[in-house]
Amino acid sequence: GAGVSQSPRYKVAKRGQDVALRCDPISGHVSLFWYQQALGQGPEFLTYFQNEAQLDKSGLPSDRFFAERPEGSVSTLKIQRTQQEDSAVYLCASSLDQVGETQYFGPGTRLLVL
Amino acid sequence: AQSVTQLDSQVPVFEEAPVELRCNYSSSVSVYLFWYVQYPNQGLQLLLKYLSGSTLVKGINGFEAEFNKSQTSFHLRKPSVHISDTAEYFCAVTMIISGTYKYIFGTGTRLKVLA
Repeated sequence: GAGVSQSPRYKVAKRGQDVALRCDPISGHVSLFWYQQALGQGPEFLTYFQNEAQLDKSGLPSDRFFAERPEGSVSTLKIQRTQQEDSAVYLCASSLDQVGETQYFGPGTRLLVL
Repeated sequence: AQSVTQLDSQVPVFEEAPVELRCNYSSSVSVYLFWYVQYPNQGLQLLLKYLSGSTLVKGINGFEAEFNKSQTSFHLRKPSVHISDTAEYFCAVTMIISGTYKYIFGTGTRLKVLA
């Protein structure tokens, strides 16, 4: 079946612009995760949903970052007033179980803020 | 503080030679341990995981890892590498802190297999 998909794959934004990144998890997966991967670094946890409930948003770097999963399926990560330090690859993962024992990752969205 | 350390940022190795990628973690609570592989312009793919039970875990593509609780390590090994194993490898830990699951990745090790 289809894996996790993310769109757009690449996004160039001017500093100060708002962006929205979309994640389509594997159908039926309960948990959904967002990570930020800076160049040359490992993924860093941003936030986690169990169905439509956002259980942990402790990794969101500022109040400019907002994530939602209103119907427990597709999720959107929104970044307001983008800054250059927001440039990174944003990875989405989904898991059939509630704690993410096995996470399936999407290809990521590469965001470049100029 | 909880952390994951991958001691080698890059590991060059000749084709058909064995390889070990090192991973150490810091945690005062029980952990789940994972190794992921990332090929260029692709998402992470799970290689193997340790949740409980046998400390020697076998994964896909001939990789295996051993959980050593006393040394807080989870090193990844393969007895004979192929050119196609060239990729970035990430060690990751999941743990429960104050009733919340935490997901921590290492900074990655770039494996370069040479012909």
